[in-house]
Formats: sequence, structure tokens, C-alpha cells
Amino acid sequence: EVQLVETGGGLVQPGRSLKLSCVASGFTFNNYWMSWTRQAPGKGLEWVASITNSGGSTYYPDSVKGRFTISRDNAQNTLYLQMNSLRSEDTATYYCTRGGQWHYWGQGVMVTVSS
Amino acid sequence: DVVMTQTPPSLSVAIGQSVSISCKSSQSLVYSDGKTYLHWLLQSSGRSPKRLIYQVSNLDSGVPDRFSGTGSQKDFTLKISRVEAKDLGVYYCAQTTHFPWTFGGGTKLELK
Repeated sequence: EVQLVETGGGLVQPGRSLKLSCVASGFTFNNYWMSWTRQAPGKGLEWVASITNSGGSTYYPDSVKGRFTISRDNAQNTLYLQMNSLRSEDTATYYCTRGGQWHYWGQGVMVTVSS
Repeated sequence: DVVMTQTPPSLSVAIGQSVSISCKSSQSLVYSDGKTYLHWLLQSSGRSPKRLIYQVSNLDSGVPDRFSGTGSQKDFTLKISRVEAKDLGVYYCAQTTHFPWTFGGGTKLELK
């Protein structure tokens, strides 16, 4: 059974940093792209970042480019999202997803950016 | 960026009715490999989204065949036949043909 478990969320002040983790199980992690997608409270879904199987390429929308960094450790079956220079508009539930077609989702982790 | 426009934003339905949701993209979603990366997801209240259909018309495992997806290029439709209570929630179309990947605004399916 595919499982994606996110951790690392919490309350953080504007301008500070936070790092999310997603531990994957139930599939061969290094066979798949991985992604982060977020959902602000009461709002729709927004793609945040993706990384190729090997980690050699990464992709971001303009809203987070230069502030967020996606990475992975294939030996540990773990995906990361380093979030710097956080803004109030980054407040959202962050989901770890498998692949490039949103097949499997984690339970999500809440990030609140507020002073 | 590819803009995904979903209509209607909300639908009230009686159990057993059939409904359709439209999703239109601002650009063709046909990728260079000839495939169309348009997907449909359902987010039930308080839950993570769940993918129902990938690449326009392919049902994910365990998704009942009451769900069907059709369309091409820039115009897509999700049809739900004989709606059941467990079908309620917010439906999203989403494209992964062009970066940045984008979602429609959602269609909330509620009981009449």
C-alpha cells in the first residue's frame, strides 16, 4: 500500500524558514517523480514543486521560485521541501504527492505563517 | 500559465441523478508525446484529494464506472451517473502538460 507521511509543519513568523519532510513507503521511491502541492484555507489547490526520479531536475511555479527548494533522499525514501522567506500567503496545508499526475497524496501538513 | 476554467462552481444534485462538470483550458493540453495530461480529482470534506481519472478518460483503480471523462485539446467533461452520497465533495480538473501545472477552481457537488 502506498503511503506518504508529511511532517514538519507548524507556526512560523514571516521571513523565517521551515523544512517539510515526506516519508514514502509501499513503492519503489526512486522510480517516481515526486511533488508538493498546497491548499490555502478554504481555497483551491496549487502546485508548488516537483523533482525528477534522480533529483537531477526540479520545477517550481513563479510564486515560490527562489524561495522554496525541493529535494529528495532516495536512500531514505524521503522527500523534502525547504521553505525560506516565508510569507503570509504561504499559509496552507502542504501535500506530498507521487508522480507527475497526482496519483497518490499524503494526509497533508499545515503551515501557518503569522507574527 | 494555462488557465483551467471549471463550470459550474457548484452543483446541487439528488441521489441517483446524473451530472456533468466542464473544464476548459486556455491552451491545448496535448503534450509532445501525443498524450493529454488532464486529470480529475475529488476532495471529500476534510480529506486529501483523490485522483479519479487520469489522461482524460482513464479511471483509477477502484473508481466506479459511474464516472467517465471525455474531451480533447482544450475542452473536457467529467460525468457522474447515478450520483451517490459518497460522491459529494469538490471536484478539480488539473493539467500536467505545461509548466506550471495548474488546477481548475473546483466544482462543489452538494445534495439538493
